[in-house]
Amino acid sequence: EADIYQTPRYLVIGTGKKITLECSQTMGHDKMYWYQQDPGMELHLIHYSYGVNSTEKGDLSSESTVSRIRTEHFPLTLESARPSHTSQYLCASSVARGWVTEAFFGQGTRLTVV
Amino acid sequence: GENVEQHPSTLSVQEGDSAVIKCTYSDSASNYFPWYKQELGKRPQLIIDIRSNVGEKKDQRIAVTLNKTAKHFSLHITETQPEDSAVYFCAAIFHGGGADGLTFGKGTHLIIQP
Repeated sequence: EADIYQTPRYLVIGTGKKITLECSQTMGHDKMYWYQQDPGMELHLIHYSYGVNSTEKGDLSSESTVSRIRTEHFPLTLESARPSHTSQYLCASSVARGWVTEAFFGQGTRLTVV
Repeated sequence: GENVEQHPSTLSVQEGDSAVIKCTYSDSASNYFPWYKQELGKRPQLIIDIRSNVGEKKDQRIAVTLNKTAKHFSLHITETQPEDSAVYFCAAIFHGGGADGLTFGKGTHLIIQP
């Protein structure tokens, strides 16, 4: 089924560890995004990509990095996790159909850094 | 880039009453205005949208209005029901342009009181 998948759903990790949050979509969308969201709060754009080999920083300063080697895959990496990184991370992709641009979100990864 | 302001941050209404959420945008080139609904513990989903050459669009109990001159648009929900309780996000983008990240307003918690 065409969808956008994030793994893991939940992650508890110690300070200083390196982690990678996975995001894959099977819809063939060129544009992909990473958002940071505390529960029920604002969606902060931290990274986005226009397509393969394209990555841009978003509005919120982030110590994470992303890569886009394949259309379907957009992983986010934290080289050294800190308690301030504790949050939910939502991956999304978007498609333009006629005059509509619709974003599809993954179910999110809830990260806790202890 | 585009800046979207959303008000109020929290809105509590009695079941059956109407709810209105307002957004303003800064970039006069923006021509597409979607609204997303995020239920508790779930991912945001597109519920309605409007493009700049239309002043109003309705879909059953929800409607969106756009005032291009004033650069603001609003979401109207009539005859509110418990399942309308959620966080609502607006966005404003230049559809058909480059590939700026999809930037959302800060969100509105809509609480439907029984």
